[in-house]
Amino acid sequence: NAGVTQTPKFQVLKTGQSMTLQCAQDMNHEYMSWYRQDPGMGLRLIHYSVGAGITDQGEVPNGYNVSRSTTEDFPLRLLSAAPSQTSVYFCASRGGHQPTGTDTQYFGPGTRLTVL
Amino acid sequence: AQSVTQLGSHVSVSEGALVLLRCNYSSSVPPYLFWYVQYPNQGLQLLLKYTSAATLVKGINGFEAEFKKSETSFHLTKPSAHMSDAAEYFCAVSTDTGRRALTFGSGTRLQVQP
Repeated sequence: NAGVTQTPKFQVLKTGQSMTLQCAQDMNHEYMSWYRQDPGMGLRLIHYSVGAGITDQGEVPNGYNVSRSTTEDFPLRLLSAAPSQTSVYFCASRGGHQPTGTDTQYFGPGTRLTVL
Repeated sequence: AQSVTQLGSHVSVSEGALVLLRCNYSSSVPPYLFWYVQYPNQGLQLLLKYTSAATLVKGINGFEAEFKKSETSFHLTKPSAHMSDAAEYFCAVSTDTGRRALTFGSGTRLQVQP
């Protein structure tokens, strides 16, 4: 049971380039989410999904797209990278078929992205 | 809407001393509260969570936290700090309404001096 996995671990992009951050979980969790972590700001929610085919915006969605075609995978796309998107990105998932607020959320190891 | 405030971005204690990390929350509905720990270059790991069953919650590695509704607080404590406790700690809140996502505080970096 690998839990939540993310690839790549590190990435350097030039302004305007696009890329996809991969996230997968093998716990059959319905709820998945993406956060970005910036110094002194904690983690902020970018997008989330409550199941395959269902996604919604979080606090800071601009510049990012997501899709959820399977329960296991939840990729995050940067269409045109900007220096303001330099950050550490975490994917998370939690179980339960009812979206309660008590479920433990499991985090991946993170992707450190630098945009030049 | 919900929010979390962590007082003190950096806390330094001596090995063996009491650890106290402060967290205050704001929520218009009954909250669920979490403490996560992040070791350098790693993801977040759950320390403990409050889900309304008991106000004093015990977690891993000897940490505990007490939910105080009157003070809207959920402070994290450990009686005796170990060097291995040096990490960043995040308090988070979620609810059963809205996005049901975690809202995080800005984090507290704990240093443990020998």
